[in-house]
Amino acid sequence: GAVVSQHPSRVICKSGTSVKIECRSLDFQATTMFWYRQFPKQSLMLMATSNEGSKATYEQGVEKDKFLINHASLTLSTLTVTSAHPEDSSFYICSARGNATASGYTFGSGTRLTVV
Amino acid sequence: GQQLNQSPQSMFIQEGEDVSMNCTSSSIFNTWLWYKQEPGEGPVLLIALYKAGELTSNGRLTAQFGITRKDSFLNISASIPSDVGIYFCAGRRTSYGKLTFGQGTILTVHP
Repeated sequence: GAVVSQHPSRVICKSGTSVKIECRSLDFQATTMFWYRQFPKQSLMLMATSNEGSKATYEQGVEKDKFLINHASLTLSTLTVTSAHPEDSSFYICSARGNATASGYTFGSGTRLTVV
Repeated sequence: GQQLNQSPQSMFIQEGEDVSMNCTSSSIFNTWLWYKQEPGEGPVLLIALYKAGELTSNGRLTAQFGITRKDSFLNISASIPSDVGIYFCAGRRTSYGKLTFGQGTILTVHP
């Protein structure tokens, strides 16, 4: 089945630094990847949708200059949290779909970001 | 962004009991999905529903796509301790569109 690998699983960084999170589709080509943010005991909130080779589409209220998304290949998308602050601490999750996947999208295992 | 209305928010049940949770929306979806999320992990797909009225089972899990296309339910029969987790419904308006998630149902199963 479709497998999505997300790395790192957890990261602690200092306030003001940038952090990059990778999302890879291991056995299929991911035409589209979605990035979510989840606070404790809350639902997943979509941050942005990225299509391979084009600019990401951000949801309302999400700062595109703060959350940089790159989807340069059909198997890799990255989310970079720039100039991180403690309020950016959260659980970030990616999901991916391929051209042949009209079913539920496959999710990565998530990244726990803690900004100190 | 818009969320689906999922209920109940949490459930505390005894092992062996049946569980039912549902999601409603003010707008139509063409796909309903049910996911389970365990602590520190991403959601895992349980059941996908594609047609109004569709009833689908996956082991002890059964889900239905409402006739109006604005609701769905998930039933778990004969619950076991490993059913513990957060269950999310999600709706999709187009075949390859983005998902809208419910608020989640936290399930606790007492042995």
